[in-house]
Formats: sequence, structure tokens, C-alpha cells
Amino acid sequence: EVQLLESGGGLVKPGGSLRLSCAASGFPFSSYAMSWVRQAPGKGLEWVSSISGTGTKTYYAESVKGRFTISRDNALNTVYVHMNSLRGDDTAVYYCAIPVTSGFDPWGQGTLVTVSS
Amino acid sequence: QSALTQPASVSGSPGESITISCTGTRSDSGNYRHVSWYQQHPGKVPKLIIYEATNRPSGVSHRFSASKSGNTASLTISGLQSEDEADYYCCSYAGSSTWVFGGGTRVTVL
Repeated sequence: EVQLLESGGGLVKPGGSLRLSCAASGFPFSSYAMSWVRQAPGKGLEWVSSISGTGTKTYYAESVKGRFTISRDNALNTVYVHMNSLRGDDTAVYYCAIPVTSGFDPWGQGTLVTVSS
Repeated sequence: QSALTQPASVSGSPGESITISCTGTRSDSGNYRHVSWYQQHPGKVPKLIIYEATNRPSGVSHRFSASKSGNTASLTISGLQSEDEADYYCCSYAGSSTWVFGGGTRVTVL
């Protein structure tokens, strides 16, 4: 069974940094790209970033480009997103998900990031 | 990376059919069949219910169907049931390994 377990969320001050992790199991991790999708409280879904299976190619939404860095450790079956210069509008539940042919499946349970002073 | 356009809300009575539209620009949903739909109940994780514009994953009810024409994708829920009350999101591949979601549609069963 495929499982994705996010961790690392919490309360951070504006301008601060945070690193989220997503531990994966149940599939050949290094063969799959991975993505982060977020959802602000009461709002819709927003694709944040994706990384190729080898980790050599990374992609970002314009809203986080230059502030967020996605990475992965295939030995640990874990994907990360390093978030810098955090702002109030980065407050959201961050989901880890596997990008498939035309979308994302499955999704992790999510981890909440709150940016507030 | 503008969001795809969905109606904010759609409602129907039990047993009825409803359709949710998802309109994009030619640069995202217009040129690709890579459109997906998600169902999200309050406080829950989004669930993939349609992929590649019209295909249902195994285990998803046959009451969910979808189509795509030009820049508009549509999700139809037939035989509406109380359990269908949820938020629904469309998503399209936007090129260069980027993705765009719709703003979401709240489905209410009257």
C-alpha cells in the first residue's frame, strides 16, 4: 500500500524558514516524481512544486519561486521542501502527492504551516 | 499560471444530475487531455475521481463521469446522493511540468 506521511509543519514568524518532509513507502520511490500541493484555510488547492525521480529536475509555482526549494533523498524515500522568507499567504496545509499522467494520486494527510507573528 | 475557472457552487436534489464546468486558457487545459478532478470532503484529503479528462479510477462510483471540449472540462454527478456533498476541484497540466487547479466548486445536496 502506498503511504505518504508529511511532517515538519508548525508556527513560524513572517520572514522565517521551515522544512517539510514527506516519507514515502509502498512503491519504488526513486522511479517516481513527487509534488507538493497546498491549501490555504478555507481556500482551494494550489500546486507548489515538483521534483523528478532522480532529483535532477525541479519545478516551482511562480508564487514560491526563489523562496522554496524542493529536494529528495532516495536512500531515505523522503522528499523535502525548504521554505524561506515565509509570508502570511504561505499559511496552508501542505500535501505531498505523486504526480501521475494527469494529476495527483495518492495524497498524504498533509501538514499545517502557519505563518504569523 | 492563472487558476482554472469553476462555478463557486452547484446544488441539486437527491437523484438529480449536476454538472460542474472547468474552463482554462489554451495554454493550460486547451491543448492537453491531462485534466483531472478531485473530491474533497470537509477536513479530508482530496481524492482523485477522474484522470485523463474522462477516466475513472477503480473504486470510484460510476455516477461520476466527465468530458472535455476545447478549453472546458466538465464533471457530471448522476443520481445525486447526500454523500456527494463536498468540494470538487479540476486540475490541468499547464506545460513545462507545472500544474494549475480550479478554484473549487461546493456541491450542495438539497
